[in-house]
Amino acid sequence: AQSVTQPDIHITVSEGASLELRCNYSYGATPYLFWYVQSPGQGLQLLLKYFSGDTLVQGIKGFEAEFKRSQSSFNLRKPSVHWSDAAEYFCAVNTNAGKSTFGDGTTLTVKP
Amino acid sequence: NAGVMQNPRHLVRRRGQEARLRCSPMKGHSHVYWYRQLPEEGLKFMVYLQKENIIDESGMPKERFSAEFPKEGPSILRIQQVVRGDSAAYFCASSPPHLSTDTQYFGPGTRLTVL
Repeated sequence: AQSVTQPDIHITVSEGASLELRCNYSYGATPYLFWYVQSPGQGLQLLLKYFSGDTLVQGIKGFEAEFKRSQSSFNLRKPSVHWSDAAEYFCAVNTNAGKSTFGDGTTLTVKP
Repeated sequence: NAGVMQNPRHLVRRRGQEARLRCSPMKGHSHVYWYRQLPEEGLKFMVYLQKENIIDESGMPKERFSAEFPKEGPSILRIQQVVRGDSAAYFCASSPPHLSTDTQYFGPGTRLTVL
């Protein structure tokens, strides 16, 4: 069965600093990987996804993620964080069975 | 093209009552997924449906919970005899008909509170 681990429960960065959120997955075949962002009381918004091809994926709001098969990782990055990026971020893996498995999330706090 | 719609957005029930959560997928989508998010946790898969069929219900509790996606109308997640532990946010997602691995688009969720 697939699983997703987000090792960091909570991360605090200063506005303008760079950001990296970690995600490790466990799945036997080629995974389909996603990053979502959730603001308090809201639904999930897709930031980016990886299905195949170029392992560096560009998303919305200036986010990118890199798929590293050897490390079973799909870390999310942003070069310069804005206060509006404060939210909870979820990594997910989808399989050919249809359902998505989510990590427990990383809460991002942005200091002024 | 409207996104995934869920209603109600907030639902309050007393213990023992029934809760009905509705999900209208995006236009042209025939796959629907339900997830539950407990406070301070990630989303947990509950059930995957296509029109008139349950494809995977491995995440559904064995009792009190049921889901359907009829030929016409929205998908319904039904919780009978609710208990306090059912308090959570319930999210619906939909995806296009061709690939079950395709991107899932999420609705805004229904936040269920059981008193």
